[in-house]
Amino acid sequence: EDKVVQSPLSLVVHEGDTVTLNCSYEVTNFRSLLWYKQEKKAPTFLFMLTSSGIEKKSGRLSSILDKKELFSILNITATQTGDSAIYLCAVAGSWGKLQFGAGTQVVVTP
Amino acid sequence: GAGVSQSPRYKVAKRGQDVALRCDPISGHVSLFWYQQALGQGPEFLTYFQNEAQLDKSGLPSDRFFAERPEGSVSTLKIQRTQQEDSAVYLCASSSQTSRSSYEQYFGPGTRLTVT
Repeated sequence: EDKVVQSPLSLVVHEGDTVTLNCSYEVTNFRSLLWYKQEKKAPTFLFMLTSSGIEKKSGRLSSILDKKELFSILNITATQTGDSAIYLCAVAGSWGKLQFGAGTQVVVTP
Repeated sequence: GAGVSQSPRYKVAKRGQDVALRCDPISGHVSLFWYQQALGQGPEFLTYFQNEAQLDKSGLPSDRFFAERPEGSVSTLKIQRTQQEDSAVYLCASSSQTSRSSYEQYFGPGTRLTVT
């Protein structure tokens, strides 16, 4: 059975800390892995990863995919209170339909 | 242009009522997806349209759920005889068909359905 597992389920950090979020997957017909940020509304797109070992960066966020070990990590450096959200990992399979993990809730305290 | 829009944003239904949820995708996006997100969980796939064709409805939880996209743009998700377990946020997402970005789905704000 296909599955996407995120860890940790939640964490609390202080502003300025670095966080690392994990996503492991077992999905047939893998096409790509995506990260989304969800506040109290629609998930917003962060990254799409298709190739192993190539880091994608956007400001303080970065992500990398390991297709051999079937996992991805999302790093957030110098965290800010605005980074508080649920971070969702999803794997795109057939048709591009997404299978999501349960998410990691990140709380950044001042 | 505008992003994905959904209406209503909130819906309260009594058990047994029928509801209809609307999604307006990004203009020109060929692919449209519906997801159901229960509290504390990630979104779960319901169904997929490519233009007006419903190519995958494997995630619809029962025959009370029905989706359509008759003209290949706006889509409606209908739930008949709602049950309490249908309470969730229903998310719509759309994506273009370009080869590189076809899996980047853009989500609407969702409709929060509460069945009492």
